Amino acid sequence: DAKTTQPTSMDCAEGRAANLPCNHSTISGNEYVYWYRQIHSQGPQYIIHGLKNNETNEMASLIITEDRKSSTLILPHATLRDTAVYYCIARLYSTASKLTFGTGTRLQVTL
Amino acid sequence: DSGVTQTPKHLITATGQRVTLRCSPRSGDLSVYWYQQSLDQGLQFLIQYYNGEERAKGNILERFSAQQFPDLHSELNLSSLELGDSALYFCASSVDAGAVDGYTFGSGTRLTVV
Repeated sequence: DAKTTQPTSMDCAEGRAANLPCNHSTISGNEYVYWYRQIHSQGPQYIIHGLKNNETNEMASLIITEDRKSSTLILPHATLRDTAVYYCIARLYSTASKLTFGTGTRLQVTL
Repeated sequence: DSGVTQTPKHLITATGQRVTLRCSPRSGDLSVYWYQQSLDQGLQFLIQYYNGEERAKGNILERFSAQQFPDLHSELNLSSLELGDSALYFCASSVDAGAVDGYTFGSGTRLTVV
């Protein structure tokens, strides 16, 4: 699985959009980009994933650059409950599957 | 509630002891994954089972073992416990072994070895 690089921490004002970047410059054509988050010692929570196209669900949007070397997770209207560590993971589809978590980005949403 | 049930939520035990952590996957999910999260190591993949068979193995210690039963619940056995085994242990599940649509994690078992 390709290595991903994320900023260590970010701040966002409540109600504003939170844009979390992820670099995965060595990603291969059949590796997916996954985003999970972990709210203080709770189990990680799946947010969204994509391969080539941009994706949107009820939680967030995922924007993948055309060359697939980077992506951005967008939380359109961040709330205090979105304060968490966000993990960007590049994963090759396999039935012998594992997600490799890095250190992630600690997002602090403030009033 | 994610649908993945882990018991117990907290466990305190002494060094050298053996414990069993239990996980019931979300209804309909056939694959189970175990992760360890300690302060200095982050989330580490331990092992994956799919429909009772081991599918993938991470850096799981020889003192640790796991299995998935016919009813699809899974148990993680930790033996000869050391202080360094103190950690959060998470179980996750997915519909199939490929998990394209992601994993669902439980709320974890916090193990403290004293």
